Amino acid sequence: SQTIHQWPATLVQPVGSPLSLECTVEGTSNPNLYWYRQAAGRGLQLLFYSIGIDQISSEVPQNLSASRPQDRQFILSSKKLLLSDSGFYLCAWKGGQSLYNEQFFGPGTRLTVL
Amino acid sequence: GDSVTQMEGPVTLSEEAFLTINCTYTATGYPSLFWYVQYPGEGLQLLLKATKADDKGSNKGFEATYRKETTSFHLEKGSVQVSDSAVYFCALLPGAGSYQLTFGKGTKLSVIP
Repeated sequence: SQTIHQWPATLVQPVGSPLSLECTVEGTSNPNLYWYRQAAGRGLQLLFYSIGIDQISSEVPQNLSASRPQDRQFILSSKKLLLSDSGFYLCAWKGGQSLYNEQFFGPGTRLTVL
Repeated sequence: GDSVTQMEGPVTLSEEAFLTINCTYTATGYPSLFWYVQYPGEGLQLLLKATKADDKGSNKGFEATYRKETTSFHLEKGSVQVSDSAVYFCALLPGAGSYQLTFGKGTKLSVIP
C-alpha cells in the first residue's frame, strides 16, 4: 500500500532563516506531487505541483521554492522566511495514470515563523 | 475558471442531528467531485468521491450525490457524532489532462454532546 510521509511535524523558525520541508511517498512510482499551504482559519492554497523529476510548476509567486530530486521525494524550501510563511504545509500525491484519481495527503508540517 | 463554493461555517450541531453542507461548483467539461475531511491537527483524508453525474459517493454514513443539473455535491449525514467534528472540504478535479484539485474554503463542523 502507498504511504506519504512529511517531516518535521512541527517547526518554529525565526524570520530570515532558511527552510526545508521534506515529503516522501512509498509504494507507488511516478506520482504527481503537490505542496499546499493552509493558513490559520483559511482554505488550501496550492503552492507547487510536479508531474515528474525536474518538472515543477509554481502556482503562487513568493519566496518559496520546490525541488524533486527523486521520483518520490518533494522538498519545499526557502532561503529567508517571512512572518507570513507561517501555516500548515501539506504534501499530497496522486497516481499519474488515472485522470480520476484523488489526491492523498500527508500528515502536514506546522510551521511557525517568529 | 473552475471554482467550488461551500457554505460558510462554522456549523454547530447537537449529536444525532442531521447534517447538510452545501457545495456548488463551476467547471467546464465533466469534473470529478470529492469531499475531504480534516480532523484537528491532521492532514486531509478523502471522505468520498463521485466521478460522473448521478453518482452517489458514500462513506462512514456520509453521502453526496453528483447533480449536474444543479452543479451541486452536497454532503449529508443522517445522524452526526461528536467524532465527526472536523473541517470538510469540497473539491473538484477538472476533466481530461488536469493535474490540480480546486478546493472550496472548507466548512468547520462542531458536534456537541
